[in-house]
Amino acid sequence: DSGVTQTPKHLITATGQRVTLRCSPRSGDLSVYWYQQSLDQGLQFLIQYYNGEERAKGNILERFSAQQFPDLHSELNLSSLELGDSALYFCASSVDPHRTENTIYFGEGSWLTVV
Amino acid sequence: AQKITQTQPGMFVQEKEAVTLDCTYDTSDQSYGLFWYKQPSSGEMIFLIYQGSYDEQNATEGRYSLNFQKARKSANLVISASQLGDSAMYFCAMRPGGSSNTGKLIFGQGTTLQVKP
Repeated sequence: DSGVTQTPKHLITATGQRVTLRCSPRSGDLSVYWYQQSLDQGLQFLIQYYNGEERAKGNILERFSAQQFPDLHSELNLSSLELGDSALYFCASSVDPHRTENTIYFGEGSWLTVV
Repeated sequence: AQKITQTQPGMFVQEKEAVTLDCTYDTSDQSYGLFWYKQPSSGEMIFLIYQGSYDEQNATEGRYSLNFQKARKSANLVISASQLGDSAMYFCAMRPGGSSNTGKLIFGQGTTLQVKP
């Protein structure tokens, strides 16, 4: 158990819909990362938050948005869903993103299937 | 450009034998971190081992060790005494340092390891 909690674990939804994925980081971790894993794209970094502020942005579509709340949990919102958005979405957390040795721990992921 | 390359899409190893999974990286940073993660078929991403660019000794964690060759920019994972439960996808990842350090990881494409009984 990494200590990073993601909900829901599985989600099936229709094209055009909107879903919210939730993440609770490990206790004490200030930084939250979102990654998307699909068969054709591999593991793609989406976005990172540190102590409530957006810190880095990767290959995140405009239809996707995220935020980190004062209690440090984070949500990833995916809207106008397309079949190609079907993927495993990971949340990860670390103590201090400024130190390269700080391990990034991953949650179990949220499997999203768009039908 | 910062990049991780894993050239072995799939590997087989006999139970109880050792296996090496290859990883090369490309960065111009002096400070960086290298990680290996294991992803079983259930999907979770499990942290295995870390090596810092300034670490002089190779990292070890139980049956996992990292063969770090800085001049060659390689960070191979060695699993000793393979077990059936080691069958999984393995990812090498780099955390850039310096001015490009946002904390995010750059992943390779992964290597699927199958342990044969």
